[in-house]
Parts: sequence; C-alpha cells; structure tokens
Amino acid sequence: GDSVTQMEGPVTLSEEAFLTINCTYTATGYPSLFWYVQYPGEGLQLLLKATKADDKGSNKGFEATYRKETTSFHLEKGSVQVSDSAVYFCALSGTSYGKLTFGQGTILTVHP
Amino acid sequence: DAGITQSPRHKVTETGTPVTLRCHQTENHRYMYWYRQDPGHGLRLIHYSYGVKDTDKGEVSDGYSVSRSKTEDFLLTLESATSSQTSVYFCAISGMGASASVEQFFGPGTRLTVL
Repeated sequence: GDSVTQMEGPVTLSEEAFLTINCTYTATGYPSLFWYVQYPGEGLQLLLKATKADDKGSNKGFEATYRKETTSFHLEKGSVQVSDSAVYFCALSGTSYGKLTFGQGTILTVHP
Repeated sequence: DAGITQSPRHKVTETGTPVTLRCHQTENHRYMYWYRQDPGHGLRLIHYSYGVKDTDKGEVSDGYSVSRSKTEDFLLTLESATSSQTSVYFCAISGMGASASVEQFFGPGTRLTVL
C-alpha cells in the first residue's frame, strides 16, 4: 500500500537558517503530494502541493519539488522565522476519494 | 477558512462507555473524513464518506463506526471506548470531486481521553 516516510525530528534551528525536511514515498501510479502544517492547538493547513512529476509547489517561502525518479518531495525554506515553528506533515493522495496517507510529522522549532 | 467545526473539542470518558464525535460543515462539500493523530504515526484515516449515507472504512476502522444522514454532518462513534482510542481526532472535508489533487480542509480537532 501507499506509505510516506519523513525525516526524524525534532528539528531545531536558529532564525534565518536554511531548512530541509526530507520526505519520500511509496505509491502505485501517479499520486499527488502535499505538505501540511500544524500550529500548536490547531488543525492542519495545506502549505503547498504538487500534482505531477517535476512540479514545484511553493507558498510563504517554502518550496518542494515532486521528484518521481527518487520518489521524494523534500520541503525547503531559505530563511526560517520563529513563526515557522510547527509540525510539518508530508502526505500523498493516490487512491480514489482523495484519501490522504501521512508521514509521521516533523516538529520544527526555530529560536531567535 | 473552510467552515468546519468539531464537537466536543475535549472529552474525558471511561473505558466501555459509548462516545460520539460530531463534525459539521457549512461548505456543502461532498467528501468527509475522520482521522486520528497519534505521536509517531502522523494522521491515519478511520472512515470516510463520499455522500449522504455513503461511507467506507479507512486503515484503522476497528472499534469505530460512522454515520452521515445529512451533507453537513459526519458522526464518529466509539461503541465501547478503550484506552487505545485516546487520541486527537480530526475531521476533514473535500469538495471538488474525487480527484487526488484536491486539497482537504481540516477541522480544529477533538482531544479524547479514555480512562
């Protein structure tokens, strides 16, 4: 079945540092890929998505490129802020009815 | 923001008691989902609905049932709660057809503790 693997956390960075959170997936066919973010005490919000190979999703300075050859969708940001502290989830949707398969989540903490 | 509410937001109950969680949407979206969130597991799908009275199981459906008698409401029931069902439960909705590329919108979550 479908699966998503994220890098182990937590990740702790200083403000303005470069961020990478790795995500790899296993799926049949051509899934769509997503990054969701969860701020403390809240539900998940879509951060960005890519629906086909080589697509780049971007939002709020975050980027991720759909790499079919490496089955990866790594999240990057050039300069993180304290307000980026949250839990980040990689997810895929490859079956009918849009059901999402999530990675385990990566906790990001950014210090001033 | 998508109009999704969940109730209750917090609940503490005892083992063996029945519990019903409610998800209510004002978006008239066709698809609704229940997930549970546990440390180290991300979110896992419990059940989903693709229309009124149309539901199906997800990957962790044992011990849970659902009902959808109206477009706007999707109920999750734990017939006899167990401590392993202590979790945070999220409802999500999606409305643009069954396309895999469609975003899901999430509710604020319900924190359930089973003693």
